[in-house]
Amino acid sequence: QSALTQPPSVSGSPGQSVTISCTGTSSDVGSYNRVSWYQQPPGTAPKLMIYEVSNRPSGVPDRFSGSKSGNTASLTISGLQAEDESDYYCSSYTSSSTYVFGTGTKVTVL
Amino acid sequence: EVQLVESGGGLVQPGGSLRLSCAASGFTFSSYFMHWVRQAPGKGLVWVSRIHADGSSATYADSVKGRFTISRDSAKNTLYLQMDGLRGDDEAVYYCGRAPRNYYGMDVWGQGTTVTVSS
Repeated sequence: QSALTQPPSVSGSPGQSVTISCTGTSSDVGSYNRVSWYQQPPGTAPKLMIYEVSNRPSGVPDRFSGSKSGNTASLTISGLQAEDESDYYCSSYTSSSTYVFGTGTKVTVL
Repeated sequence: EVQLVESGGGLVQPGGSLRLSCAASGFTFSSYFMHWVRQAPGKGLVWVSRIHADGSSATYADSVKGRFTISRDSAKNTLYLQMDGLRGDDEAVYYCGRAPRNYYGMDVWGQGTTVTVSS
């Protein structure tokens, strides 16, 4: 199972919006609404930000949103804040009943 | 407080074995699926394995199938990962993660335990 494809980095100024893409195949992202997104600051454990494409767990700010079109899922951070600077990973359930993570994206707040 | 605490990591020679543990507290362990995820130094997250809430079934990444075994003990509220035939590319921080029955996503993670494979 190959990793889902994410851009290595995205950046934006405080207050701007950034979008991270996550491209898979018809065997994972394209077939299931089982895409989740995780935030991982350096040296710490991941934190769930979005589950099942577009749902936010309790406590996650509403400036984080998720969507999906075809084989590509996206995470958008609106109103970017300095504390959002981190690595972000997508993940999807697959047709093999396994899971796959994305390659990871570093978000930089300018 | 809901918490997952991994242990059992360490230095092991290539071809050797190690058993990781993940102690759960603050929630009903038997109600959740559990995952292992690893991260090699400077690299991204890689899914390793998942076990059903009742321990009845498990799935594995191709890279560890036949070498790693996931299990759980509800009496001890503990998740395990038995790792045999360890290779250099198994070297990583290993995280356990909790997955609710009613949605797909790992909502609680441990702090990780480090496995080093070297002679």
